[in-house]
Amino acid sequence: DTGVSQDPRHKITKRGQNVTFRCDPISEHNRLYWYRQTLGQGPEFLTYFQNEAQLEKSRLLSDRFSAERPKGSFSTLEIQRTEQGDSAMYLCASSRVSTGTTNEKLFFGSGTQLSVL
Amino acid sequence: SQQGEEDPQALSIQEGENATMNCSYKTSINNLQWYRQNSGRGLVHLILIRSNEREKHSGRLRVTLDTSKKSSSLLITASRAADTASYFCATDAVSGGSYIPTFGRGTSLIVHP
Repeated sequence: DTGVSQDPRHKITKRGQNVTFRCDPISEHNRLYWYRQTLGQGPEFLTYFQNEAQLEKSRLLSDRFSAERPKGSFSTLEIQRTEQGDSAMYLCASSRVSTGTTNEKLFFGSGTQLSVL
Repeated sequence: SQQGEEDPQALSIQEGENATMNCSYKTSINNLQWYRQNSGRGLVHLILIRSNEREKHSGRLRVTLDTSKKSSSLLITASRAADTASYFCATDAVSGGSYIPTFGRGTSLIVHP
């Protein structure tokens, strides 16, 4: 169990550029989440996948945000035309959920800290 | 969306003292979780308590749940400087047909050596 891995750890970009973050979940986990966290706040849910299916994306902050999990393994989060307000920590988490259960423990990566200049 | 709210926002204590944090939520839940976050890092799961449970222990951690008051508390006994971190409660909120762990703003705990 190597844990949840996120890359890069830090990203500095200029306003208007596109950025892409990667998350590698724990291998046997079927569910993957993306959260955003700003200073002094808790993680804010963005989207999640069950295997390769994106089951909820209405909470993505704008149409500039998109996420994929093409083969049900790693996931990417892309932000197009970045704005200064996008500066935040982007956290990925994974879990293993069985059908019919509502109890799940999330395993988080260390996050990608995005700074938009 | 349903969200737990932690109280206090900040807590400063001396090593050896107990630390108590509270979480209130708005609607019925299936379970409630507590997580810890060190500065600049991801969150680490501490404990999960189901809606039909009233109290749970894990090492120096004690969690209570009062569903009638829609509140939970996390007690850390005999605190250590290494317990300095932010602590978050997470409740499940329905989204996309599934229950999504939804976090509050957290309690920032500082334990002075």
